Amino acid sequence: DIVVTQSPLSLSVTPGEPASISCRSNQSLLHSNGYNYLDWYLQKPGQSPQLLIYLGSNRASGVPDRFSGSGSGTDFTLKISRVDVEDVGVYYCMQATQTRAFGQGTKVEIK
Amino acid sequence: EVQLVESGGGLEQPGRSLRLSCTASGFTLGDYAMTWVRQAPGKGLEWIGFIRSKPYGGTTEYAASVKGRFTISRDDSKNIAYLQMNSLKSEDTAVYYCNGRLVRGDIKDVWGKGTTVIVST
Repeated sequence: DIVVTQSPLSLSVTPGEPASISCRSNQSLLHSNGYNYLDWYLQKPGQSPQLLIYLGSNRASGVPDRFSGSGSGTDFTLKISRVDVEDVGVYYCMQATQTRAFGQGTKVEIK
Repeated sequence: EVQLVESGGGLEQPGRSLRLSCTASGFTLGDYAMTWVRQAPGKGLEWIGFIRSKPYGGTTEYAASVKGRFTISRDDSKNIAYLQMNSLKSEDTAVYYCNGRLVRGDIKDVWGKGTTVIVST
């Protein structure tokens, strides 16, 4: 089974500062078609998850450009260039190469 | 408005069954792969399974934790996806979300607000 592990599990960020979350997989998520099957989601308090990034680095429609995804194979990163107060919540990566599996989640709070 | 609405949650005893529905409005559910995800109280997201759209075979995949007990199906004529949950256990207590994804060039990704299932005597 493919397991994805996020770090850190919690993050306290000053508004306007950058933030970064790591997602590591125990197997490569790089498909033979060249795509990395790794999504990033944000679950804001009291809400359903929302898709931020798909295929490792593609921003979903309506997602601010301060969010970016990078990485390939087994190591991926979600970066927020300048954290906004509305970015508070729990961020999850999810591998979609072999069935699906979420990481444990990273809780982002504002200092 | 594009939306998904889950229904059918509630309190059920261990060993019993429950069927959740996920009703789409504002779009054609038949074009979308439909996924169920759950979240136990105070815990993270757990992927349960999905069903592909008919053009992609309409096949299903499940997490090991529910395989053999849970079944996902769809009735595209009614714009509804289902999650049949049998042999319920206390650890199935969670908020259950349905998600629809369409990959056609760009991605369309829609989530419901969830329905709560409590398994307890």
